[in-house]
Formats: sequence, structure tokens, C-alpha cells
Amino acid sequence: SQQGEEDPQALSIQEGENATMNCSYKTSINNLQWYRQNSGRGLVHLILIRSNEREKHSGRLRVTLDTSKKSSSLLITASRAADTASYFCATNNDMRFGAGTRLTVKP
Amino acid sequence: ETGVTQTPRHLVMGMTNKKSLKCEQHLGHNAMYWYKQSAKKPLELMFVYSLEERVENNSVPSRFSPECPNSSHLFLHLHTLQPEDSALYLCASSQDFRTGSAEAFFGQGTRLTVV
Repeated sequence: SQQGEEDPQALSIQEGENATMNCSYKTSINNLQWYRQNSGRGLVHLILIRSNEREKHSGRLRVTLDTSKKSSSLLITASRAADTASYFCATNNDMRFGAGTRLTVKP
Repeated sequence: ETGVTQTPRHLVMGMTNKKSLKCEQHLGHNAMYWYKQSAKKPLELMFVYSLEERVENNSVPSRFSPECPNSSHLFLHLHTLQPEDSALYLCASSQDFRTGSAEAFFGQGTRLTVV
């Protein structure tokens, strides 16, 4: 089993800016998922990308996957204060998570 | 509302108490999970149940005892806990474990304080 590792650990931006966070993993995968967690609450599934996909969009979210580099990125465009949360990745339905990226969007 | 309900939302217990956390899902999922989230620590996967059988037990102390009586319910029985066990305990479910649909649904968690 393996877990994804997110970076940076923390990211602070102004409202309207784009936020990019990354996930790295060690072995081959079937899929990779991104989740979001508001402080003190459960995680919410955002998006899943399969190993044969390179990019996926959902609203203001864009996820890319580079299997050769064993990495994924999550881009949030035109960020809002409500996007303030921690973001996690997980691989292969493994259900293990890294430490996450703590995103703060300042109004 | 995610379809996964945890009770209670908050719990304060003494080190000699026995209490139980409850998780319920009516999503038709076959896999259920318990996580511990302490301040400034990664989310720790504690237990995994698939089709009501425990398939993972990640070096969790015996003072935590899980129970899965059916596919919709998951319990975490607590006894003689330590103050360092104070944390947010999260329950989740997914269609299957390590196969099929990957999307996991989480409950809102139980904030546990051990005094």
C-alpha cells in the first residue's frame, strides 16, 4: 500500500488568484483522487483521475496526472475565501492520505 | 449530507470510561473505515472492513475495538483511553476496498476529548 504525499504543506493566496498543489506517489497506480477537508469536518471527494487520463476538469478544478513522474497536480482557478481548506490525495482506492496541503484564501 | 452519519458529534470521557462511537451508512457500500486525525498529524487509517470482515488493522492499540455487525453499521468501542487519544475520529465508506469505485464518503466525525 502507499499514500500520496502533498506539497506544499501550506499555501496562502489572495482571492481571485489560482492555487496549485501537488501530489507525489511511489508505485504504479490505477487512479488518483483528490479530497478536500474543511477544518474539523469529514473529507469530501473532489475528483478522480484514472491512470490513462492526463487531465480532468470539474468546475474551477483542474487535475493533471503525469505517470512518468508519478505526480499529480490540483489547480483551483479564481480562488474564493470559501476554498480555504486542506486538500489531500489518495491512490488506488488505498484510502490512505498524506499530511495534506493547507490552503488559505484571503478575501 | 454525505450519507454517512456519525454519532455522537462530541464526546468527553474519562480515562476509566467505556464508550462507543457509531457510524451508519445507507449508501449500499461494502467497505467502511475508521480514521484518527490528531492536531498537526496526518490522517491515520485505523481499521478497514470489507463485506463486514476486518481486512486491515493498522497497529492500533487494543483499547480501540471495532465492530461491524452489518454492512451499514460500524462501531468503535473505546476503553481505558489516554489523553493522547483525544482527536477527531472519522468514519468513511466506499463501494469496495481497493477495487471498483474509488469515491469515499466521510461522516462529519466525532470530536473526542479524553480527560
